Amino acid sequence: LAKTTQPVSMDSYEGQEVNITCSHNNIATNDYITWYQQFPSQGPRFIIQGYKTKVTNEVASLFIPADRKSSTLSLPRVSLSDTAVYYCLVVPRGSGYSTLTFGKGTMLLVSP
Amino acid sequence: EAQVTQNPRYLITVTGKKLTVTCSQNMNHEYMSWYRQDPGLGLRQIYYSMNVEATDKGDVPEGYKVSRKEKRNFPLILESPSPNQTSLYFCASSPQGVPGNTIYFGEGSWLTVV
Repeated sequence: LAKTTQPVSMDSYEGQEVNITCSHNNIATNDYITWYQQFPSQGPRFIIQGYKTKVTNEVASLFIPADRKSSTLSLPRVSLSDTAVYYCLVVPRGSGYSTLTFGKGTMLLVSP
Repeated sequence: EAQVTQNPRYLITVTGKKLTVTCSQNMNHEYMSWYRQDPGLGLRQIYYSMNVEATDKGDVPEGYKVSRKEKRNFPLILESPSPNQTSLYFCASSPQGVPGNTIYFGEGSWLTVV
């Protein structure tokens, strides 16, 4: 699986847009990019997933450039409740996967 | 309701006393996995299973065992727990063969070994 690199932490204020970038230089043709959110003492939960260009859902947007070596999770107008750890994963499509490494993620702290 | 259920949620035990943390999912998922989470180390995969009777080591398997005799269950066994296994444990499941394969996590099990 492709190794990912993301910032350890980020700070923001309520109402701002937050962009978290993940680097995945060794991404393979069959890989999808997936982001998870984890609140303290809870299991991670799926936020968004994409293969190329831009994907948007009710929670976030995911921007993926043409070379797919990085991706950016965009959270519009964050609130205090968006304070969490965000994980970027690169996951093969089709037949599935074996090991799945979440890494340390990005700790986002939203202040009033 | 689709869910992954872990038990117990909280446990304090003594060094060397065998324990089992159960995990059950009701989504007919092929893939199941165990993670531990420690401060500053993120989520680390202990073991995973791609289907019944198919298990393999993750990144930190030492001191743990697993079994997958039924599709829905994936228990984590600590044969002789030690204090360095004090951690927050998560069980997870996902379907195989689907692009992306969303992973579903349990609520976590807090384990303290004294």
